[in-house]
Amino acid sequence: QVQLVESGGGLVKPGGSLRLSCAASGFTFSDSYMSWIRQAPGKGLEWLSYISTSGSTIYYADSVRGRFTISRDNAKNSLYLQMNSLRAEDTAVYYCARITTVTTWYFDDWGQGTLVTVSS
Amino acid sequence: DIQMTQSPSSLSASVGDRVTITCRASQSISSNLNWYQHKLGKAPNLLIYAASSLQSGVPSRFSGRGSGTDFTLTISSLQPEDFATYYCQQSYSNHLSFGGGTTVEI
Repeated sequence: QVQLVESGGGLVKPGGSLRLSCAASGFTFSDSYMSWIRQAPGKGLEWLSYISTSGSTIYYADSVRGRFTISRDNAKNSLYLQMNSLRAEDTAVYYCARITTVTTWYFDDWGQGTLVTVSS
Repeated sequence: DIQMTQSPSSLSASVGDRVTITCRASQSISSNLNWYQHKLGKAPNLLIYAASSLQSGVPSRFSGRGSGTDFTLTISSLQPEDFATYYCQQSYSNHLSFGGGTTVEI
């Protein structure tokens, strides 16, 4: 059974940094593209970034490019999101998701999310 | 980047109703369109992928149609557990994106 468990969320001041982790189990992590997605309070889902199986291909949304860094450790079955220069508008629940890349790309498994609050 | 526009943003319906949600892409995305259901406090759940393929385990009352720029998600007979927010998502571009969501309320 696929499990994705996010951790690392919390309260941080504007301009601060935070590192989110996502622990994966129940599937071959090293064979899967992975992604981060967030939902701000009262807003919809926003895709942030994805990373290929080896980490050689990475894309970011414009809203986080240059501030956030996605990475993975296949030996530890873990996905990460390093978030720097945080702003109030980065307050959200952050989800990691597995991407299936067969006929088309889609997010077929999600974690429960971790809450990040950016406030002074 | 490809913009995804959903309509309506919210709707009120009753159990047993037929409900249709529309999603429009700012450019052609072929059939690279997926639909998700999201309930408060839970992880989003994939319903439909590649515009019209039903994800395993999803009830057959959910269906998807469309290609190019215009897509629909239909719930043939709304059930109590279907009250949620629904999102479309395109995967044509490397910059993946979601629609703004449609909340289905009682």
